[in-house]
Amino acid sequence: KAGVTQTPRYLIKTRGQQVTLSCSPISGHRSVSWYQQTPGQGLQFLFEYFSETQRNKGNFPGRFSGRQFSNSRSEMNVSTLELGDSALYLCASSLISGPNQPQHFGDGTRLSIL
Amino acid sequence: GQNIDQPTEMTATEGAIVQINCTYQTSGFNGLFWYQQHAGEAPTFLSYNVLDGLEEKGRFSSFLSRSKGYSYLLLKELQMKDSASYLCAVSATDSNYQLIWGAGTKLIIKP
Repeated sequence: KAGVTQTPRYLIKTRGQQVTLSCSPISGHRSVSWYQQTPGQGLQFLFEYFSETQRNKGNFPGRFSGRQFSNSRSEMNVSTLELGDSALYLCASSLISGPNQPQHFGDGTRLSIL
Repeated sequence: GQNIDQPTEMTATEGAIVQINCTYQTSGFNGLFWYQQHAGEAPTFLSYNVLDGLEEKGRFSSFLSRSKGYSYLLLKELQMKDSASYLCAVSATDSNYQLIWGAGTKLIIKP
């Protein structure tokens, strides 16, 4: 069974640009969550999608947005990039949405802002 | 507010036992997860505790005390491959059930 796939693995952008990251969950998983991971900080929750609907949103500015398609694949978009957006962006999927569901993570997209 | 605390780094010897602690402050606790993350790789699920007590799974065990807001991950018979970061995450009603993550504990195993 294929795991969670995130593309691209690495990305370099400059300030002011925008970026779109992609996540394909494990087949059959309908919940997709996005996290930002920076050194010395825990994973910061961005948002969760389930059945194409945003179920939850973290405390990130509106420059961060996402969506989920009917095949459960998800995209995350960041507009007007800032230096502080440099981070590892992780996507995680679970079978259903719920507080006790183990999440299966992709290897992440490492975004560097110059 | 919500807060998860873990030691930043620990060092242990191959073959020994190590205990990684996690303390949390949340309202409406709903469960605690432990994940392992090797450098440059995705976090992988280790354990889930929602009731007090010890959950054993092979060389790894996880303990929870809800009254103390405390958990630990116990790793026995340490192997070099156990060198990784160990992440504690809590689900609670005051975070709308979304996981609040600790910064992780980097475990270094020495021969």
